[in-house]
Amino acid sequence: DTGVSQDPRHKITKRGQNVTFRCDPISEHNRLYWYRQTLGQGPEFLTYFQNEAQLEKSRLLSDRFSAERPKGSFSTLEIQRTEQGDSAMYLCASSDSGAPEQYFGPGTRLTVT
Amino acid sequence: LAKTTQPISMDSYEGQEVNITCSHNNIATNDYITWYQQFPSQGPRFIIQGYKTKVTNEVASLFIPADRKSSTLSLPRVSLSDTAVYYCLVGDRTGANNLFFGTGTRLTVIP
Repeated sequence: DTGVSQDPRHKITKRGQNVTFRCDPISEHNRLYWYRQTLGQGPEFLTYFQNEAQLEKSRLLSDRFSAERPKGSFSTLEIQRTEQGDSAMYLCASSDSGAPEQYFGPGTRLTVT
Repeated sequence: LAKTTQPISMDSYEGQEVNITCSHNNIATNDYITWYQQFPSQGPRFIIQGYKTKVTNEVASLFIPADRKSSTLSLPRVSLSDTAVYYCLVGDRTGANNLFFGTGTRLTVIP
Protein backbone atom coordinates (compact mmCIF):
# COMPACT_ATOMS: atom_id res chain seq x y z
CA ASP A 1 0.00 0.00 0.00
CA THR A 2 1.32 3.44 -0.84
CA GLY A 3 -0.08 5.22 2.18
CA VAL A 4 -2.64 7.99 2.49
CA SER A 5 -3.02 10.10 -0.62
CA GLN A 6 -4.67 13.47 -1.07
CA ASP A 7 -5.75 15.30 -4.15
CA PRO A 8 -5.08 17.97 -5.18
CA ARG A 9 -1.83 18.86 -3.45
CA HIS A 10 -2.37 22.56 -4.09
CA LYS A 11 -5.49 24.56 -4.79
CA ILE A 12 -5.80 28.25 -5.49
CA THR A 13 -9.31 29.63 -5.58
CA LYS A 14 -11.06 32.94 -5.50
CA ARG A 15 -13.05 34.01 -2.48
CA GLY A 16 -16.62 32.81 -2.68
CA GLN A 17 -15.89 29.72 -4.74
CA ASN A 18 -16.51 26.17 -3.53
CA VAL A 19 -13.66 23.68 -3.27
CA THR A 20 -13.56 19.93 -2.72
CA PHE A 21 -10.62 17.86 -1.58
CA ARG A 22 -10.25 14.11 -1.78
CA CYS A 23 -8.52 11.70 0.58
CA ASP A 24 -7.75 8.06 -0.11
CA PRO A 25 -6.83 6.26 3.11
CA ILE A 26 -4.74 3.16 3.60
CA SER A 27 -7.04 0.47 2.29
CA GLU A 28 -7.47 -1.62 5.43
CA HIS A 29 -8.04 1.37 7.72
CA ASN A 30 -11.60 1.94 8.86
CA ARG A 31 -11.05 5.36 10.44
CA LEU A 32 -10.45 8.53 8.51
CA TYR A 33 -9.77 12.00 9.92
CA TRP A 34 -9.62 15.53 8.57
CA TYR A 35 -7.49 18.30 10.06
CA ARG A 36 -6.64 21.87 9.20
CA GLN A 37 -3.22 23.33 9.87
CA THR A 38 -2.20 26.96 9.66
CA LEU A 39 1.33 28.27 9.76
CA GLY A 40 3.01 27.82 13.12
CA GLN A 41 0.15 25.86 14.62
CA GLY A 42 -0.45 22.19 15.18
CA PRO A 43 -3.10 20.32 13.21
CA GLU A 44 -6.64 21.25 14.24
CA PHE A 45 -9.07 18.36 14.25
CA LEU A 46 -12.17 18.86 12.09
CA THR A 47 -14.03 15.56 11.81
CA TYR A 48 -13.62 11.81 11.60
CA PHE A 49 -15.32 8.74 10.18
CA GLN A 50 -15.46 5.14 11.18
CA ASN A 51 -16.29 3.31 7.99
CA GLU A 52 -18.98 5.47 6.40
CA ALA A 53 -20.30 6.88 9.67
CA GLN A 54 -19.27 10.40 10.61
CA LEU A 55 -18.76 10.04 14.35
CA GLU A 56 -17.62 13.54 15.19
CA LYS A 57 -18.41 16.68 13.27
CA SER A 58 -19.00 19.27 15.94
CA ARG A 59 -15.54 20.67 15.34
CA LEU A 60 -16.08 21.49 11.70
CA LEU A 61 -15.30 25.16 11.55
CA SER A 62 -18.61 26.36 10.22
CA ASP A 63 -21.58 25.14 8.24
CA ARG A 64 -19.61 25.94 5.10
CA PHE A 65 -17.51 22.85 5.82
CA SER A 66 -18.81 19.36 5.15
CA ALA A 67 -17.28 15.95 4.71
CA GLU A 68 -18.43 12.65 3.32
CA ARG A 69 -17.20 9.09 3.15
CA PRO A 70 -20.02 7.45 1.20
CA LYS A 71 -18.68 3.93 0.85
CA GLY A 72 -16.34 3.82 3.76
CA SER A 73 -13.30 4.18 1.52
CA PHE A 74 -12.25 7.58 0.16
CA SER A 75 -13.51 10.80 1.68
CA THR A 76 -14.16 14.31 0.45
CA LEU A 77 -14.01 17.59 2.32
CA GLU A 78 -15.94 20.47 0.81
CA ILE A 79 -15.70 24.12 1.70
CA GLN A 80 -18.44 26.31 0.32
CA ARG A 81 -18.15 30.05 -0.26
CA THR A 82 -14.48 30.10 0.60
CA GLU A 83 -13.03 32.96 2.61
CA GLN A 84 -9.45 34.16 2.86
CA GLY A 85 -9.30 32.77 6.39
CA ASP A 86 -9.79 29.29 4.96
CA SER A 87 -6.30 29.40 3.48
CA ALA A 88 -4.45 26.57 5.20
CA MET A 89 -3.11 23.07 4.80
CA TYR A 90 -5.84 20.43 4.98
CA LEU A 91 -4.57 17.10 6.22
CA CYS A 92 -6.19 13.71 6.07
CA ALA A 93 -5.20 10.73 8.18
CA SER A 94 -6.36 7.16 8.56
CA SER A 95 -6.03 4.50 11.21
CA ASP A 96 -7.25 1.13 12.29
CA SER A 97 -9.77 1.57 15.08
CA GLY A 98 -7.80 -0.80 17.29
CA ALA A 99 -4.49 1.02 17.03
CA PRO A 100 -3.26 4.41 18.20
CA GLU A 101 -1.24 5.40 15.14
CA GLN A 102 -2.74 7.77 12.63
CA TYR A 103 -1.11 7.82 9.22
CA PHE A 104 -1.19 11.22 7.59
CA GLY A 105 -1.31 12.16 3.95
CA PRO A 106 0.79 14.93 2.41
CA GLY A 107 -2.02 17.47 2.67
CA THR A 108 -3.78 19.85 0.33
CA ARG A 109 -2.62 23.43 0.53
CA LEU A 110 -5.49 25.83 -0.09
CA THR A 111 -4.92 29.45 -1.00
CA VAL A 112 -7.96 31.71 -1.20
CA THR A 113 -7.34 34.96 -3.06
CA LEU B 1 -9.86 17.18 27.44
CA ALA B 2 -6.48 17.21 29.11
CA LYS B 3 -4.50 20.28 28.09
CA THR B 4 -0.84 19.84 27.33
CA THR B 5 2.04 22.29 27.71
CA GLN B 6 5.37 21.91 25.93
CA PRO B 7 8.36 24.18 25.40
CA ILE B 8 8.00 26.16 22.21
CA SER B 9 11.49 25.35 20.95
CA MET B 10 14.70 23.52 21.79
CA ASP B 11 18.17 23.36 20.25
CA SER B 12 20.55 20.44 20.47
CA TYR B 13 23.86 19.42 18.96
CA GLU B 14 24.14 16.36 16.81
CA GLY B 15 24.84 13.17 18.70
CA GLN B 16 23.29 14.35 21.95
CA GLU B 17 20.28 12.91 23.71
CA VAL B 18 17.26 15.20 23.65
CA ASN B 19 14.49 15.16 26.22
CA ILE B 20 11.24 17.00 25.50
CA THR B 21 8.86 17.31 28.41
CA CYS B 22 5.11 17.66 28.20
CA SER B 23 2.91 18.72 31.12
CA HIS B 24 -0.63 17.36 31.38
CA ASN B 25 -1.78 18.09 34.90
CA ASN B 26 -5.42 17.09 34.38
CA ILE B 27 -4.82 13.80 32.63
CA ALA B 28 -7.70 11.36 33.12
CA THR B 29 -7.40 7.80 34.35
CA ASN B 30 -8.10 6.34 30.93
CA ASP B 31 -5.86 8.74 29.01
CA TYR B 32 -2.78 7.70 27.09
CA ILE B 33 0.10 9.94 26.03
CA THR B 34 1.01 9.97 22.36
CA TRP B 35 3.82 11.78 20.54
CA TYR B 36 4.00 12.76 16.88
CA GLN B 37 6.79 14.24 14.78
CA GLN B 38 6.21 16.63 11.91
CA PHE B 39 8.66 17.75 9.24
CA PRO B 40 7.97 20.86 7.17
CA SER B 41 5.42 20.35 4.42
CA GLN B 42 4.54 16.86 5.64
CA GLY B 43 1.82 15.39 7.80
CA PRO B 44 2.67 14.31 11.35
CA ARG B 45 4.15 10.89 11.96
CA PHE B 46 3.41 8.73 15.00
CA ILE B 47 6.42 8.20 17.25
CA ILE B 48 5.31 6.48 20.43
CA GLN B 49 2.47 6.00 22.90
CA GLY B 50 2.45 5.08 26.57
CA TYR B 51 0.28 4.90 29.65
CA LYS B 52 2.75 4.66 32.53
CA THR B 53 6.39 4.06 33.43
CA LYS B 54 8.56 3.61 30.35
CA VAL B 55 7.97 2.66 26.75
CA THR B 56 10.74 2.23 24.22
CA ASN B 57 10.76 1.58 20.51
CA GLU B 58 13.35 1.81 17.78
CA VAL B 59 12.95 5.57 17.53
CA ALA B 60 12.44 6.94 21.04
CA SER B 61 11.65 6.33 24.68
CA LEU B 62 8.76 7.73 26.63
CA PHE B 63 9.07 8.22 30.37
CA ILE B 64 5.93 8.71 32.46
CA PRO B 65 6.19 9.26 36.22
CA ALA B 66 3.81 7.63 38.65
CA ASP B 67 1.50 10.66 38.92
CA ARG B 68 1.27 10.83 35.08
CA LYS B 69 1.06 14.63 35.18
CA SER B 70 3.96 14.93 32.80
CA SER B 71 5.87 12.85 30.32
CA THR B 72 9.25 13.04 28.61
CA LEU B 73 10.05 12.04 25.09
CA SER B 74 13.68 11.00 24.81
CA LEU B 75 15.47 10.93 21.46
CA PRO B 76 18.86 9.24 21.65
CA ARG B 77 21.81 10.63 19.70
CA VAL B 78 19.91 13.06 17.50
CA SER B 79 20.97 13.82 13.96
CA LEU B 80 20.19 16.74 11.67
CA SER B 81 17.27 14.77 10.26
CA ASP B 82 15.55 14.88 13.65
CA THR B 83 14.95 18.61 13.22
CA ALA B 84 11.16 18.80 13.35
CA VAL B 85 8.18 19.79 15.46
CA TYR B 86 7.19 17.30 18.16
CA TYR B 87 3.64 17.15 19.49
CA CYS B 88 2.36 15.64 22.70
CA LEU B 89 -1.28 14.50 22.78
CA VAL B 90 -3.30 13.18 25.69
CA GLY B 91 -6.50 11.19 25.30
CA ASP B 92 -7.91 7.70 25.09
CA ARG B 93 -5.87 5.13 23.25
CA THR B 94 -7.59 5.20 19.89
CA GLY B 95 -10.66 7.34 20.26
CA ALA B 96 -11.77 10.69 19.05
CA ASN B 97 -10.56 12.63 22.05
CA ASN B 98 -6.94 11.82 21.32
CA LEU B 99 -6.96 14.12 18.34
CA PHE B 100 -5.85 17.48 19.69
CA PHE B 101 -2.42 18.74 18.81
CA GLY B 102 -1.05 21.80 20.57
CA THR B 103 1.59 24.06 19.07
CA GLY B 104 4.32 21.48 19.69
CA THR B 105 8.04 21.83 20.35
CA ARG B 106 10.27 22.88 17.50
CA LEU B 107 13.53 20.96 17.82
CA THR B 108 16.54 22.24 15.91
CA VAL B 109 19.57 19.98 15.71
CA ILE B 110 22.79 21.88 15.19
CA PRO B 111 25.83 20.37 13.45
